[in-house]
Amino acid sequence: DAKTTQPPSMDCAEGRAANLPCNHSTISGNEYVYWYRQIHSQGPQYIIHGLKNNETNEMASLIITEDRKSSTLILPHATLRDTAVYYCIVRNTGNQFYFGTGTSLTVIP
Amino acid sequence: GAGVSQTPSNKVTEKGKYVELRCDPISGHTALYWYRQSLGQGPEFLIYFQGTGAADDSGLPNDRFFAVRPEGSVSTLKIQRTERGDSAVYLCASSFRNERGEAFFGQGTRLTVV
Repeated sequence: DAKTTQPPSMDCAEGRAANLPCNHSTISGNEYVYWYRQIHSQGPQYIIHGLKNNETNEMASLIITEDRKSSTLILPHATLRDTAVYYCIVRNTGNQFYFGTGTSLTVIP
Repeated sequence: GAGVSQTPSNKVTEKGKYVELRCDPISGHTALYWYRQSLGQGPEFLIYFQGTGAADDSGLPNDRFFAVRPEGSVSTLKIQRTERGDSAVYLCASSFRNERGEAFFGQGTRLTVV
């Protein structure tokens, strides 16, 4: 299964864009990249996913490099409620989600 | 229901006892997942069901852990002879069969073995 590497923590000023990087250099051609976040004491919440093309929804944008070895989750205007642990996951062909330790994002007022 | 429901939300049990944790997935979701999360760690995969059958149980740590989903809906995670190291939040998620869709997680059951 492809592993992901994320920085353990990041800060972002409220109202600014938060850019969360993820490396997944061993990803296979048919494996998708998913992002989830987890706010303290809650279950993980789905954010976005993609295969090759960049994706955007109401929560975030996902930028995947052409070689697919890394990606960036962008929260365009971070708010205090975006403070959470963000997980970058490569979903394998067996359909499971394997989480790493994620990035703890703190949005600062 | 509107989301994945897990019961109980909290469970305290004595070492050596047997516990059952229940998961009610979103109606119509054929895929169901169990995860375990220890403090400060990401969720750890335990088992994945597609319908009634366990498609992958490679994450179950040992034979004290067992899960069933007899009618392809509700699932029960069973832990025998609990140990203090089993203390964690147990998360359940469900999704449609379409493997490219998102999985929705419940709020988890916090298990404490004393």
